Amino acid sequence: AQSVTQPDIHITVSEGASLELRCNYSYGATPYLFWYVQSPGQGLQLLLKYFSGDTLVQGIKGFEAEFKRSQSSFNLRKPSVHWSDAAEYFCAVALNSGYSTLTFGKGTMLLVSP
Amino acid sequence: NAGVTQTPKFQVLKTGQSMTLQCAQDMNHNSMYWYRQDPGMGLRLIYYSASEGTTDKGEVPNGYNVSRLNKREFSLRLESAAPSQTSVYFCASSERRDQPQHFGDGTRLSIL
Repeated sequence: AQSVTQPDIHITVSEGASLELRCNYSYGATPYLFWYVQSPGQGLQLLLKYFSGDTLVQGIKGFEAEFKRSQSSFNLRKPSVHWSDAAEYFCAVALNSGYSTLTFGKGTMLLVSP
Repeated sequence: NAGVTQTPKFQVLKTGQSMTLQCAQDMNHNSMYWYRQDPGMGLRLIYYSASEGTTDKGEVPNGYNVSRLNKREFSLRLESAAPSQTSVYFCASSERRDQPQHFGDGTRLSIL
């Protein structure tokens, strides 16, 4: 079965600094890959997705993610973090067969310090 | 521009009571899902409906039942609530199972 690992439970970044959130998946083939963000008291919002093609994917709110097949990774990045980016971030994968549901990682909580 | 609507937003139950959580989507999506979210556990899939007329168990289905009433609506029922079911419940929908999901704002359920 596919699995998703987000190794960092919490990350603290200074406002204006760069950010990288890690995501690794376990599956033989290339799955569909997603990053979601959840603000306190809200549902999850899709930041970006990777299905195929260019391995660097641009998303909303200035986020991007890079798919690295050799490392089974799909790390989320942002060059300059804003205080409003403080939230919980979830990586998710799905088999690209049309028959699987999304599997979510356990999330990384981003804290932004002044 | 509603997307996925969940009702109620908050609920407190006593152990043994029953309750139905409602979910409706207006995006004409085929697939719908119920998750629970607990601290440190991420999102866990309870049940899903790949298309109207079908439902399947997810990772944590025990103690729950679902009904896909029509293409728009997918309800989650707790027949005899237990304190272990205290959680935040999210409904989501997507065009098909491997596509991005759109989430509601959640139902915060406490069982005493």
